[in-house]
Amino acid sequence: AQSVTQLGSHVSVSEGALVLLRCNYSSSVPPYLFWYVQYPNQGLQLLLKYTSAATLVKGINGFEAEFKKSETSFHLTKPSAHMSDAAEYFCAVSESGAGSYQLTFGKGTKLSVIP
Amino acid sequence: EAGVTQFPSHSVIEKGQTVTLRCDPISGHDNLYWYRRVMGKEIKFLLHFVKESKQDESGMPNNRFLAERTGGTYSTLKVQPAELEDSGVYFCASSQADSYEQYFGPGTRLTVT
Repeated sequence: AQSVTQLGSHVSVSEGALVLLRCNYSSSVPPYLFWYVQYPNQGLQLLLKYTSAATLVKGINGFEAEFKKSETSFHLTKPSAHMSDAAEYFCAVSESGAGSYQLTFGKGTKLSVIP
Repeated sequence: EAGVTQFPSHSVIEKGQTVTLRCDPISGHDNLYWYRRVMGKEIKFLLHFVKESKQDESGMPNNRFLAERTGGTYSTLKVQPAELEDSGVYFCASSQADSYEQYFGPGTRLTVT
């Protein structure tokens, strides 16, 4: 069974400050890991993904995440927050090698960016 | 290329009524998934189609929910009869064969009063 824990349902950062959104997972097999973003009134958009290649993954809009197996973590970071980053972010896990790549999501973290 | 579309965007119905949600996946995507987010909770998997066949329906909450994908193109999710706890946002996603990368639609917000 898989599970995802996102620490912090709401995170506020100042514009230009570091963004750090935390995600820990559990999986019985090597996982595929994802970060999705949902802007207001829009669907989920894939930010980045880890699929057992490089442990440091770069995504769109300047975001990146590092897979740390020893810590079972996949935290999302961005060096400098922009007002347009305000959205809800979801971490998700999928089991590699399975017939169905169904996603197990965390509860989401709403990011607010303060001018 | 058109993305995943869902209809309607919002639906408000009374308890006991029937509602049908529709999802049009990206053309050529064999895999179609349904997910649901109940307010305050995480997004949860409902079921997975490969073409017109149900690959995994382990997440369907009960037999009031019926999903179909006739012809392997669009899919419908019917709730009959609707209950208050069915309120939430229903997301559809699609992916190519043997791909883990899912593309999501904007969701249908269902409110049962």
